[in-house]
Amino acid sequence: EPEVTQTPSHQVTQMGQEVILRCVPISNHLYFYWYRQILGQKVEFLVSFYNNEISEKSEIFDDQFSVERPDGSNFTLKIRSTKLEDSAMYFCASNNLRGSGANVLTFGAGSRLTVL
Amino acid sequence: DQQVKQNSPSLSVQEGRISILNCDYTNSMFDYFLWYKKYPAEGPTFLISISSIKDKNEDGRFTVFLNKSAKHLSLHIVPSQPGDSAVYFCAARAGTASKLTFGTGTRLQVTL
Repeated sequence: EPEVTQTPSHQVTQMGQEVILRCVPISNHLYFYWYRQILGQKVEFLVSFYNNEISEKSEIFDDQFSVERPDGSNFTLKIRSTKLEDSAMYFCASNNLRGSGANVLTFGAGSRLTVL
Repeated sequence: DQQVKQNSPSLSVQEGRISILNCDYTNSMFDYFLWYKKYPAEGPTFLISISSIKDKNEDGRFTVFLNKSAKHLSLHIVPSQPGDSAVYFCAARAGTASKLTFGTGTRLQVTL
């Protein structure tokens, strides 16, 4: 079954450093998303991306965050200058928008970010 | 701004019995509802969904019920199995291309 893959699975970084989290969405999917889950809290929407531009973003997704689809397969989340409160599990997801799965997001296994 | 609420943080059910997980929402624009299951250190996995034009959807041991007037949905698992032990998230979206809004999750423990 096709899956969303994310790298790295775990990254530890110092506060103020830049971090890039990578995702390979399912190949025929058109919409891409980043979500995060701070330990013990709910899964929160960060940003959605379609046709090479951001389609929607949350209040969390401030100027420190950016997303990019540098080639035909990767979808990245960059945090420019990490803060302690950025420590979380970051999930990439993608969506087909067609057929019976049109409303279902498929999530990757997540990248755990620890900011020290 | 909790548009999707799961008021029970945890639930313990004996193997073979029915598990009922509840979810309430406030946004009338939500037109599609999903349940995701999540194991520790893994991403949410899609379980079952329901469109707002229906009031019930069944898939094997899993049934989701939607009460639009009450803005309430529930997930029934019967019979419950130990492998069902996980955190269950209710999620909703307003339109096909829009984001999913998640509830806070309910941790289900199925005991032997």
